[in-house]
Amino acid sequence: AQSVTQLDSHVSVSEGTPVLLRCNYSSSYSPSLFWYVQHPNKGLQLLLKYTSAATLVKGINGFEAEFKKSETSFHLTKPSAHMSDAAEYFCVVTASGYALNFGKGTSLLVTP
Amino acid sequence: EPEVTQTPSHQVTQMGQEVILRCVPISNHLYFYWYRQILGQKVEFLVSFYNNEISEKSEIFDDQFSVERPDGSNFTLKIRSTKLEDSAMYFCASSAGGPDTQYFGPGTRLTVL
Repeated sequence: AQSVTQLDSHVSVSEGTPVLLRCNYSSSYSPSLFWYVQHPNKGLQLLLKYTSAATLVKGINGFEAEFKKSETSFHLTKPSAHMSDAAEYFCVVTASGYALNFGKGTSLLVTP
Repeated sequence: EPEVTQTPSHQVTQMGQEVILRCVPISNHLYFYWYRQILGQKVEFLVSFYNNEISEKSEIFDDQFSVERPDGSNFTLKIRSTKLEDSAMYFCASSAGGPDTQYFGPGTRLTVL
């Protein structure tokens, strides 16, 4: 079964410093991987997705993620955090059929 | 920009009552989904729907749950007899095609007392 593990439940960074949110995946075949973000009282918004094209995927708001098959990882990064980046981030893999299998989420706190 | 909408934003009901959660998917999308997130837990897949029938469902989606597309725009999730453990945020999503990006609505928070 396809699954993801988000290695940190909480990450705290200072504004202007890099962001790294870690995700490892488990899949028996080449997966489709996504990062979604959820701001307080808002729905889930797609940040970026990987579907076996380029291994470095660029998303919205300056985020990017790199698919590393050898490490089974799909970490999310951003060079410089902004206060508005504070939110819950979910690493997601396509499970059976088209159902999405979510990680437990990483709460990103950005301090001034 | 088109978006998925859900109503109501918050629903409070008594245990044993029936509830219907409503969603309006993006208009040209063909695949529809329901997910739920119990407080403090991860988002879980419930069901997918295509061509007026369920295409996939999880173990959570038992006989108490049903989905329907009653007209050309709405997509509903019905819980026949709610239990305390049905309290959760329920998200609707839609996609143009099966493997395409799923766009999520803002969710309905269901509280069962």
